[in-house]
Amino acid sequence: AQSVTQLDSQVPVFEEAPVELRCNYSSSVSVYLFWYVQYPNQGLQLLLKYLSGSTLVKGINGFEAEFNKSQTSFHLRKPSVHISDTAEYFCAVNEGAGNKLTFGGGTRVLVKP
Amino acid sequence: GAVVSQHPSRVICKSGTSVKIECRSLDFQATTMFWYRQFPKQSLMLMATSNEGSKATYEQGVEKDKFLINHASLTLSTLTVTSAHPEDSSFYICSARGTGVETQYFGPGTRLLVL
Repeated sequence: AQSVTQLDSQVPVFEEAPVELRCNYSSSVSVYLFWYVQYPNQGLQLLLKYLSGSTLVKGINGFEAEFNKSQTSFHLRKPSVHISDTAEYFCAVNEGAGNKLTFGGGTRVLVKP
Repeated sequence: GAVVSQHPSRVICKSGTSVKIECRSLDFQATTMFWYRQFPKQSLMLMATSNEGSKATYEQGVEKDKFLINHASLTLSTLTVTSAHPEDSSFYICSARGTGVETQYFGPGTRLLVL
């Protein structure tokens, strides 16, 4: 069975500083990988996804993530955060287009001025 | 594209009553819809998966008679919380996915408060 671990439950960061959110997964088969963002009292918005091809994936709002198969990781990065990036970020995995998503526990990013 | 709506966004009801939440895919046909529950400061917990025209598949521990799911069309799924109790108070989020598509698109969520 697949599982997803987000190693940091909270990440405080100053405005304009870089941020990295870590995500590791376990699965016995090839997977699709996703990062979603959730703003307070809202649903989830897709930031980016890895399906195949280039391991460096660029998403919306200046975010990018790199798939590392040997490390079974899919870490999310942004070189310079804004106050508006304060939100909860979820890493998710599924083992194929027909399967359900497994979510990590989430990482709360708090951007300080 | 890929917009999913939910209605209502917030609902308050008395204990013992039933509440229906709608989930609509606005610009694509959703052959599969998912219902999640989220407690404060926690991740999403999948409750059930519904495919258009067939019965929903519930996750272990989710009472199918309490959380009734209907997916009668390719753009609409409903979740009915029957005989709601205060412990059912939560944030309910739906998502939708098209045929052969790997990405789920999420609705804005419905906050349910049972008094």
